[in-house]
Amino acid sequence: GESVGLHLPTLSVQEGDNSIINCAYSNSASDYFIWYKQESGKGPQFIIDIRSNMDKRQGQRVTVLLNKTVKHLSLQIAATQPGDSAVYFCAENRGSGNTGKLIFGQGTTLQVKP
Amino acid sequence: SAVISQKPSRDICQRGTSLTIQCQVDSQVTMMFWYRQQPGQSLTLIATANQGSEATYESGFVIDKFPISRPNLTFSTLTVSNMSPEDSSIYLCSVERGGREGEAFFGQGTRLTVV
Repeated sequence: GESVGLHLPTLSVQEGDNSIINCAYSNSASDYFIWYKQESGKGPQFIIDIRSNMDKRQGQRVTVLLNKTVKHLSLQIAATQPGDSAVYFCAENRGSGNTGKLIFGQGTTLQVKP
Repeated sequence: SAVISQKPSRDICQRGTSLTIQCQVDSQVTMMFWYRQQPGQSLTLIATANQGSEATYESGFVIDKFPISRPNLTFSTLTVSNMSPEDSSIYLCSVERGGREGEAFFGQGTRLTVV
C-alpha cells in the first residue's frame, strides 16, 4: 500500500558527527515533503521542507535531499549536538493543495552520544 | 510562526466518557487539522476543519466518534466520544502558516489516557 516509511527506527551518533536520516515514499504524486523534529512531550517542530521540483535544500546545519527517481528523502544534520536528540519524522503532501494535510512516516529516533 | 495552544495538555478519563480538546491559534487561519499519535507511533490525520463548513474526515475516522467544531478562524475543538482504552493517544492540532505555503505548525498536543 501507499506509505511513507523510514529505513531505520533508531540512529545513534557521536556528538560532532554528521547524521543522516532516511525516508522512503511510495506515491509519485507527492509534491511536497517536510521533516519534523519531535522532542519528548512536545508537538512536532518544523525543520525544513522541499518541493518536488527541487532535489536539494539547505537550512541552518540541515540539508534535505530528494531523489524522485527512487522515491527517497534524506535529512542531513551537520555537527550533531545533544540538543538534536529527538524523534525525526518525514511527512509528505500528496498534492492535495493543503500543505497542512500530511502523511507521516514512522519516525527515526536520533540519539547523540556525548 | 503561529502560536498554537491546546487544552488540556493531558487528561485521564474513564471509559465511556467524552473529552473535548480545544485548540486556539494566535492568528486567523483558514485550515486547521487534527492528528492522532498513538503511543510510540507516528501521526495520523483525523480530519481537516474549515471554518463555516463540516470537517472532512480521513478514512477510518468518523464524525460520531470525533466530532469537530470550528466556530471561527482562530479556534477549533475535537471531541473524543465514548472513549475506550484504544483511544489513549496524543491528539494534536496543526495549522498551515498563514499566507505562505509550507511550515505546518503543531500545538504541543493533548495526552489522553483512558482507563
